[in-house]
Amino acid sequence: NAGVMQNPRHLVRRRGQEARLRCSPMKGHSHVYWYRQLPEEGLKFMVYLQKENIIDESGMPKERFSAEFPKEGPSILRIQQVVRGDSAAYFCASSPRGQNYGYTFGSGTRLTVV
Amino acid sequence: GQSLEQPSEVTAVEGAIVQINCTYQTSGFYGLSWYQQHDGGAPTFLSYNALDGLEETGRFSSFLSRSDSYGYLLLQELQMKDSASYFCAVVGNFNKFYFGSGTKLNVKP
Repeated sequence: NAGVMQNPRHLVRRRGQEARLRCSPMKGHSHVYWYRQLPEEGLKFMVYLQKENIIDESGMPKERFSAEFPKEGPSILRIQQVVRGDSAAYFCASSPRGQNYGYTFGSGTRLTVV
Repeated sequence: GQSLEQPSEVTAVEGAIVQINCTYQTSGFYGLSWYQQHDGGAPTFLSYNALDGLEETGRFSSFLSRSDSYGYLLLQELQMKDSASYFCAVVGNFNKFYFGSGTKLNVKP
């Protein structure tokens, strides 16, 4: 039973390019959460998705960031026109329906904008 | 909104006991969770308290007092491998987690 899979592990983008981060939840999990972690800080909630639905995107920056979780395939976090400040670790977590005590994080994608 | 306070750094020796405190202010509270994160790694789930009291899992215990908006993580028989950052997190609506800034634990021989 594979855990939460994220790829790529490391991603380097030049300013102005697009970054696409992928997350495949654990088998049987239909809820996906994205978090961002800046160096020496805690994780900050970005968005919560279920299949084909965005449930809560209150933590997403208003511009350049978008997320989806299609019926088939992984969840995608997309960052357009990246800037240096987007450099961070992006973690995805999944949970089965109804669970509220904790979830499993993927290994994260470390985005570096140069 | 949510705010969580925890010490930024703690140092202890192998074999000792250490307690990492967490106080929080939140609207919408379902529980307090603790995560461990090694440098460059992913956060890993340690414990969850929804009700007041102590939960014990091996060398790690976690405590919650909802009336005091306070919890702590207790690590016993410290080992070098316990050197990591420890985050408390409030569980809010929609199973969202609000994380503190983390406590870096340094375990020395």
